[in-house]
Amino acid sequence: GDSVTQMEGPVTLSEEAFLTINCTYTATGYPSLFWYVQYPGEGLQLLLKATKADDKGSNKGFEATYRKETTSFHLEKGSVQVSDSAVYFCALSDPFNPMTTDSWGKLQFGAGTQVVVTP
Amino acid sequence: DGGITQSPKYLFRKEGQNVTLSCEQNLNHDAMYWYRQDPGQGLRLIYYSQIVNDFQKGDIAEGYSVSREKKESFPLTVTSAQKNPTAFYLCASSIGGTADTEAFFGQGTRLTVV
Repeated sequence: GDSVTQMEGPVTLSEEAFLTINCTYTATGYPSLFWYVQYPGEGLQLLLKATKADDKGSNKGFEATYRKETTSFHLEKGSVQVSDSAVYFCALSDPFNPMTTDSWGKLQFGAGTQVVVTP
Repeated sequence: DGGITQSPKYLFRKEGQNVTLSCEQNLNHDAMYWYRQDPGQGLRLIYYSQIVNDFQKGDIAEGYSVSREKKESFPLTVTSAQKNPTAFYLCASSIGGTADTEAFFGQGTRLTVV
């Protein structure tokens, strides 16, 4: 079945350092890809998304490019801040399959990567 | 403001009791979801509903039940059959219909068995 694999954390960085979180996926069709962020004690918020190959999602200085050839969607930020400390989840959404309703918009998440940014 | 409201934020349950977690949305979304979050395991899908009066089991439905009598509401019952219910529970909703729709999450309910 579909799956998402992301690098284990915690990732500890100093402020202004470069951040990369690796994410690879397995899917039978052409999924949409997402990065969500979770701050302590809260639910998840969408950070960015990409819906087709070579699309680049970006938001708040974060970027990720949908690479179909390597089945990857790595998250990057050039200069992190203490406020970026959170858990980051890579996710895919099953592609729409008219033969079944089971895959309709259902999200599959990676295990999450905790990022800690120190001053 | 539109959003998803989960209640309560913290819930304590004695062993052998059923408890119900509330999830309400005013986003006019068709699809709603329940996820369970355990440390280091990401989010696992418990149940989801694409439309009123219809729902499907997710990956870990055993010991849980849901209902979808109204579009706005998708309560989750954790039954006594759930062997290890202590976890953080997240409800989400989306417009649904296509794979690129964003899911909106509630703030979560932390359930602890005492």
